[in-house]
Amino acid sequence: ILNVEQSPQSLHVQEGDSTNFTCSFPSSNFYALHWYRWETAKSPEALFVMTLNGDEKKKGRISATLNTKEGYSYLYIKGSQPEDSATYLCASILTGGGNKLTFGTGTQLKVEL
Amino acid sequence: EAGVTQFPSHSVIEKGQTVTLRCDPISGHDNLYWYRRVMGKEIKFLLHFVKESKQDESGMPNNRFLAERTGGTYSTLKVQPAELEDSGVYFCASSTVWTEAFFGQGTRLTVV
Repeated sequence: ILNVEQSPQSLHVQEGDSTNFTCSFPSSNFYALHWYRWETAKSPEALFVMTLNGDEKKKGRISATLNTKEGYSYLYIKGSQPEDSATYLCASILTGGGNKLTFGTGTQLKVEL
Repeated sequence: EAGVTQFPSHSVIEKGQTVTLRCDPISGHDNLYWYRRVMGKEIKFLLHFVKESKQDESGMPNNRFLAERTGGTYSTLKVQPAELEDSGVYFCASSTVWTEAFFGQGTRLTVV
């Protein structure tokens, strides 16, 4: 993996469903992985900053895991609500990269009633 | 604490004109990033400042784009002359070393 990749590109779920998406990133020279939530007409807001292999972070119904050896992170949403509808972005930072954030293309989540 | 502020929020200019976007980062944040979202697509990196130095400008599309951060405080991004494909939302973000980035509300640029 040379770039940050996210899948799926978009996702439609029903209210109450649990869902998850994937972020793949270069595993060599890894320093940190960020997750952001981006609502339409607003600016991205940070959800999690993860640095250690095996990290698990949780904020309410949203949680994330990190595997730095294989270069992936999962974001989970439990019991999706319409207000969870947004684009979820991940971004990686590599050592020696001047701490530049490199974003993936995002996963667009729509939660329907 | 004031967040990242961007000015203007919207700008409509004619092709060939010049536009300057401004970003005021959170005080004390050495890192400042410019990103662009075009036509609802993914967010693309433009460049990254550490204090007043350009750390990485590999995302700048061409020499019509010029970014500065004099004194390591606010930053400007000038587009001269603007082309139709420059339309999009330009986001600025700032961070301390190794922490999450805080984004401004963006400047929506429309070139007609």
